[in-house]
Amino acid sequence: AQTVTQSQPEMSVQEAETVTLSCTYDTSESDYYLFWYKQPPSRQMILVIRQEAYKQQNATENRFSVNFQKAAKSFSLKISDSQLGDAAMYFCARGNNDMRFGAGTRLTVKP
Amino acid sequence: DSGVTQTPKHLITATGQRVTLRCSPRSGDLSVYWYQQSLDQGLQFLIQYYNGEERAKGNILERFSAQQFPDLHSELNLSSLELGDSALYFCASSEDREENIQYFGAGTRLSVL
Repeated sequence: AQTVTQSQPEMSVQEAETVTLSCTYDTSESDYYLFWYKQPPSRQMILVIRQEAYKQQNATENRFSVNFQKAAKSFSLKISDSQLGDAAMYFCARGNNDMRFGAGTRLTVKP
Repeated sequence: DSGVTQTPKHLITATGQRVTLRCSPRSGDLSVYWYQQSLDQGLQFLIQYYNGEERAKGNILERFSAQQFPDLHSELNLSSLELGDSALYFCASSEDREENIQYFGAGTRLSVL
């Protein structure tokens, strides 16, 4: 099975600090997409950031950026200047139409 | 608001029963995806439809079925329900262009008692 692994079930960060969430994946495809989704207590799934595998440049969306290492099949999410509203479950996902999700990392932001 | 509408928001039923979950995709989106999220777990991909045709199948039980109608809304049918089917069921839609971004509805919480 082509899996997505998030090795950190829980992470904690101080407000205004930086935190990195890890994700590794397995795929036999050469072209695919990677995503980070945020799920706050409302349970709504919100797209945070997207990376196309054929692009070497790491994606960035405001305070969110990724470190994409294609050879290592690694796709980590860095959150800078963490805010209380960033507290949520974060899911890494891989794929095109057949999306595979990791088990999630619960991020706590301490004031 | 993602533009994807799921109804109902909550559903409580008994074991052995059958329920239907409904999803209206974003305007213009041709693909609909169904996911199951059990308590404190990740999302499990169930099935994808594109413009009325089944396109991809994941970990969907034989007791579950889905369809996409000509107006592109989709329904997920769950039958012979078991306690373990209690979960949050998400629908997502995408344009099915290269960007492949999926937009999620708010989910239907199913409780099987």
